[in-house]
Formats: sequence, structure tokens, C-alpha cells
Amino acid sequence: QKEVEQNSGPLSVPEGAIASLNCTYSDRGSQSFFWYRQYSGKSPELIMSIYSNGDKEDGRFTAQLNKASQYVSLLIRDSQPSDSATYLCAVNRGSSNTGKLIFGQGTTLQVKP
Amino acid sequence: ETGVTQSPTHLIKTRGQQVTLRCSSQSGHNTVSWYQQALGQGPQFIFQYYREEENGRGNFPPRFSGLQFPNYSSELNVNALELDDSALYLCASGLAVEQFFGPGTRLTVL
Repeated sequence: QKEVEQNSGPLSVPEGAIASLNCTYSDRGSQSFFWYRQYSGKSPELIMSIYSNGDKEDGRFTAQLNKASQYVSLLIRDSQPSDSATYLCAVNRGSSNTGKLIFGQGTTLQVKP
Repeated sequence: ETGVTQSPTHLIKTRGQQVTLRCSSQSGHNTVSWYQQALGQGPQFIFQYYREEENGRGNFPPRFSGLQFPNYSSELNVNALELDDSALYLCASGLAVEQFFGPGTRLTVL
């Protein structure tokens, strides 16, 4: 079992729709969870951090965390073609917040005009 | 822009050679980490430096080594290059748990 798992996609949604990206992790001790966006040929960009169970909203993005189910998700409302990218789920290694991250393989999102 | 810079942007080496990649952390950050990202995969943690000491290492062989300098700049050295070392090498810096990536160095090993 991989430590952080994501569906590689591609996930295709029409412009204006809600895109839902999912991630599961194996280490129950993990306390910090992140979503990065990576455009083709570029480096990952941090877009959301979440540390507590529940929802965290930032503009069109909502991160959801359920530690009991070991599940993290990212919702993108009113998807735009500029949101087309690979979204990487990352989990801090272990229970101490050290910044040592384990990444999933990423989900490719395509937003069609 | 994260304030993390890396050099060079691209590099081509042949198998068996050695390479040094450089990173300059964002001002105020106290950790620097290196990641390897193969095509189509997520980044893999190589190691982290804190106060010039290695502070954790991923599943990479000893031919991957690093340094952190007092000004928080850092180097990643890879000896005896193998074809599978071809990847995007990412440097990330942070003050706490959040990590911010530089633009990366694309290494091609022929």
C-alpha cells in the first residue's frame, strides 16, 4: 500500500463545474496535510494546508479532512481552464510537524471550456 | 514567486559523472529539503537540513549527499550518476511545516 494515494486521472470537468480531488493516506499519526498545484513543466505551488478535521475554505478552494477515515479532499468551485494542472496531495511524515512531506502521484485535472 | 531559487535550470550529464545542484532558501526560513520528481510521479523526499545538519533522510542511497550553509543556501550532490537519476530536482524551504518549492533543476543523465 502506498503511503499517499491519489487517482492519477485525468479528471475532466466542464468550465464552471465543481472539481473534486481525493487522497487517502496510511499513517494515522500524520497531523498536517497539503494540496499543491503543479502546472506542466513547473514546480509545485502550495494552495491549501489543513490540520484539523472538517472543512477549510480559501476562495474557490475547499479542503476537507477526515482523520478517522484517513481521507483528504480538495474541491474547486467554478472551475476555470486555468485550473487545469496536476494536483498533488502531501502529508507530513510522522506525527511531528517537520516539513518532511510524502506526496501522492498527483491527479491531473482538465477543465474544458 | 516563493523566494526560493535554484541553479542551474537544466543540466545534462553522462552516467558515472558527479553533479552539484544549488538552492537558495527564502529569507527567514530555517529548513531546506530536497526532493526528486520523476516524470509522471509525485516528488520523493531525499533529505532535509536544519541548522546545517541533516535532519532526516528518505529512501535514497549515500551517493546522494548535501550541505547547508550558514546563509541557509544548500547543495545537493549526486555521485556516480545512473540513468534513473534523470528527474526534476526540487528544493523546498520552510519555517514550520509548510514547504515552498523553488523552480527546480531538470537533470538528464545520458
